[in-house]
Amino acid sequence: DTAVSQTPKYLVTQMGNDKSIKCEQNLGHDTMYWYKQDSKKFLKIMFSYNNKELIINETVPNRFSPKSPDKAHLNLHINSLELGDSAVYFCASSPGTTGGLNTEAFFGQGTRLTVV
Amino acid sequence: AQSVTQLDSHVSVSEGTPVLLRCNYSSSYSPSLFWYVQHPNKGLQLLLKYTSAATLVKGINGFEAEFKKSETSFHLTKPSAHMSDAAEYFCVVSEVDTGRRALTFGSGTRLQVQP
Repeated sequence: DTAVSQTPKYLVTQMGNDKSIKCEQNLGHDTMYWYKQDSKKFLKIMFSYNNKELIINETVPNRFSPKSPDKAHLNLHINSLELGDSAVYFCASSPGTTGGLNTEAFFGQGTRLTVV
Repeated sequence: AQSVTQLDSHVSVSEGTPVLLRCNYSSSYSPSLFWYVQHPNKGLQLLLKYTSAATLVKGINGFEAEFKKSETSFHLTKPSAHMSDAAEYFCVVSEVDTGRRALTFGSGTRLQVQP
């Protein structure tokens, strides 16, 4: 059983298209995230949701819109894709206890997005 | 604000020799610190974590790290490198005392293991 699963694993699409990446976690965690890893391997938080509520929204273009239908799912929709959006996108989840010690995140396998 | 600096972008060792990957952090509050590993074309796997308990933390695959508050460091070590250790390693900080629940990643260190 995969703890954090994202689909698709690879996504190749043309500029201007709209695409979605889906993420599901079966760990019972309250908090889910989207991270972006660029070509230099640098990882940066994009969004964070706690119990379906947006709590972190970093400086990300409005073309990126996360959606959380329930606390086990956090999908990422991207409108009008640009070449610079090419990256690996990681979904993650963590327990939601504020101030708790178990603050590590569990990551999915990543979605490699290539915009051509 | 919190930040992490990984002092080496690339480290090369011979199989069987010790590994040292260096990490310094900056945090306004009591930090939790982690090391994650990413093998080529794979996801991120937690190696170990420090959460204000013992300062010497043991992780998986023989790795360990020592939290040194006076030096604001959290270096990752392993006594003897194995070929399978070749991967990208990330030092990560999370602030426990704030409501912000996100991890801040270092820029990564690529570990190469020579036969």
